[in-house]
Amino acid sequence: GDSVTQMEGPVTLSEEAFLTINCTYTATGYPSLFWYVQYPGEGLQLLLKATKADDKGSNKGFEATYRKETTSFHLEKGSVQVSDSAVYFCALRSQGGSEKLVFGKGTKLTVNP
Amino acid sequence: DAGVIQSPRHEVTEMGQEVTLRCKPISGHDYLFWYRQTMMRGLELLIYFNNNVPIDDSGMPEDRFSAKMPNASFSTLKIQPSEPRDSAVYFCASSLGGGPQHFGDGTRLSIL
Repeated sequence: GDSVTQMEGPVTLSEEAFLTINCTYTATGYPSLFWYVQYPGEGLQLLLKATKADDKGSNKGFEATYRKETTSFHLEKGSVQVSDSAVYFCALRSQGGSEKLVFGKGTKLTVNP
Repeated sequence: DAGVIQSPRHEVTEMGQEVTLRCKPISGHDYLFWYRQTMMRGLELLIYFNNNVPIDDSGMPEDRFSAKMPNASFSTLKIQPSEPRDSAVYFCASSLGGGPQHFGDGTRLSIL
């Protein structure tokens, strides 16, 4: 079945450092890909998405590019802030009409001042 | 606009008791999802509804779990009887056909 694998955390960075969180997927066809963010005590919020190969999703300085050839959707940010501290989830929705999302295990990011 | 509203936020109960979790989706949304989050298994989809009809319940762990959506503005997830291994954070989410899922803040459930 479809699956998502993301780098295990936790990840600890200093403010203004560069962030990469790796995400790879297994799915047939062309799934839609998502990054969600979860702040402490809250539900998940959609951060960005890409629905076809070579699409780049971006939001709040975060970016991720849908790479079909490497089945990857790595999350990047050029300069992280303390307020970016959260858990980040990569997810996919299979091609074919189902609304079901399959999530990775999540990566906890802590940004220190 | 109000987001997805879940209640209660926290629930602590003893093994064997019935537990009912509640969810009010965003008005106008036609999909509703129930998820369970644990450290061991991450975030798992339990069931989802479209226009109040269950579409995929393959993630429901066993017969002790049941979910209903009597109308477009309300859904329940019930566990009877509850067991300690059901302890988790349960999330409800809603979406408007094909759009992004909006999550509630979750119910933290502890079964003693």
